[in-house]
Amino acid sequence: QVQLQESGPGVVKPSESVSLTCTVSGGSVSVYYWSWLRQSPEKGLEWIGYIYKSVNTNYNPILESRVTISVDTSKNQFSLKLTSVTAADTAVYYCARGGGSWFDRWGQGTLVTVSS
Amino acid sequence: DIQMTQSPSTLSASVGDRVSITCRASQSISSWMAWYQQKPGKAPKLLIYKASNLESGVPSRFSGSGSGTEFTLTISSLQPDDFATYYCQQYNGYPYTFGQGTKLDIK
Repeated sequence: QVQLQESGPGVVKPSESVSLTCTVSGGSVSVYYWSWLRQSPEKGLEWIGYIYKSVNTNYNPILESRVTISVDTSKNQFSLKLTSVTAADTAVYYCARGGGSWFDRWGQGTLVTVSS
Repeated sequence: DIQMTQSPSTLSASVGDRVSITCRASQSISSWMAWYQQKPGKAPKLLIYKASNLESGVPSRFSGSGSGTEFTLTISSLQPDDFATYYCQQYNGYPYTFGQGTKLDIK
């Protein structure tokens, strides 16, 4: 049974970067698509991007200039880095398996608040 | 981007009722549609994929239908555990997009 767990800072200052990590158990990050999504009251559910087979990435155009998704196969983790954050980036961030179609396994989510 | 519009935004119903939620796409997405259930403080849970395929472990009272631009999620007989928010998602083209959600609450 694949399980995902997000980790990262809860609060980030405006204009700084935030890095989140998703630890995967019960499956390998070297196969399947792995995505990051976020959810806020203002924007709803929003797909951020995916990584596939450790090197292929695809990002939402509205975030593409500020987003990097990478994989650490030795730790079976994948990560999100979002730069130049503003209050509009405040959201619950989810990691999920999927990105080539539907999302069938999700982490429990981690709240990121952008505040000085 | 493909816009997904759900209706209604809120639905009040009773245990045992049959309810339907509609999702309309701004352009044809064939059958590339998924439905999710989300409870407060939890991640979305996949219910239906490819418009009408039931995810393993999901009760058979859930069903999906439609193709092109109009889709429906139906719950045949509401159970207490079904009161939640439901989202549609298209995966016909990037960026993948979601509906704004339909909150199903107890009448």
